[in-house]
Amino acid sequence: GDSVTQMEGPVTLSEEAFLTINCTYTATGYPSLFWYVQYPGEGLQLLLKATKADDKGSNKGFEATYRKETTSFHLEKGSVQVSDSAVYFCALRHITGGGNKLTFGTGTQLKVEL
Amino acid sequence: KAGVTQTPRYLIKTRGQQVTLSCSPISGHRSVSWYQQTPGQGLQFLFEYFSETQRNKGNFPGRFSGRQFSNSRSEMNVSTLELGDSALYLCASSPQVENEKLFFGSGTQLSVL
Repeated sequence: GDSVTQMEGPVTLSEEAFLTINCTYTATGYPSLFWYVQYPGEGLQLLLKATKADDKGSNKGFEATYRKETTSFHLEKGSVQVSDSAVYFCALRHITGGGNKLTFGTGTQLKVEL
Repeated sequence: KAGVTQTPRYLIKTRGQQVTLSCSPISGHRSVSWYQQTPGQGLQFLFEYFSETQRNKGNFPGRFSGRQFSNSRSEMNVSTLELGDSALYLCASSPQVENEKLFFGSGTQLSVL
């Protein structure tokens, strides 16, 4: 079945540091890929998405590129801020027949310190 | 526009009881999905409803059930609660099935004692 693997957390960085959170997936065909973010006490929010190979999703300084050859969708940001502290989830959905069923990774907690 | 509203925010139950959680989607959204979030298993898909019909179901026992009303509001029910059912239950809505963006509520934190 489908699965998503994320790097273990927590990841602790200093403000303005470079961020990479690794995400790899296992799925047949060509799923859509997503990064969602969860701030304390809140539900998940869509951060960015990519629907086909080599697509780059970007939002709020975050970027991720859909790499079919390595089945990866790593999240990056050039300079993190304290306000980026949250839990980040990588997810996939099949384009057809998947409905709104998402398969999530276990989440990676990011802590950004001054 | 109001977001996805889940009630109650917190719930404490004992083993063997049953519980009903409620979700009101964003106005105009017809698809409602439910997810269970636990520290050990992460986020797992429970089921999805669209226009009062269950469209998708995850790998959960029959104790977990749901329904959707004509106004798109949805409820999920868990019968004969077990300790392992303690979790944050998240509801997500979208305008239609296979939409690229889901809008999540803040969840209902269920504790089973």
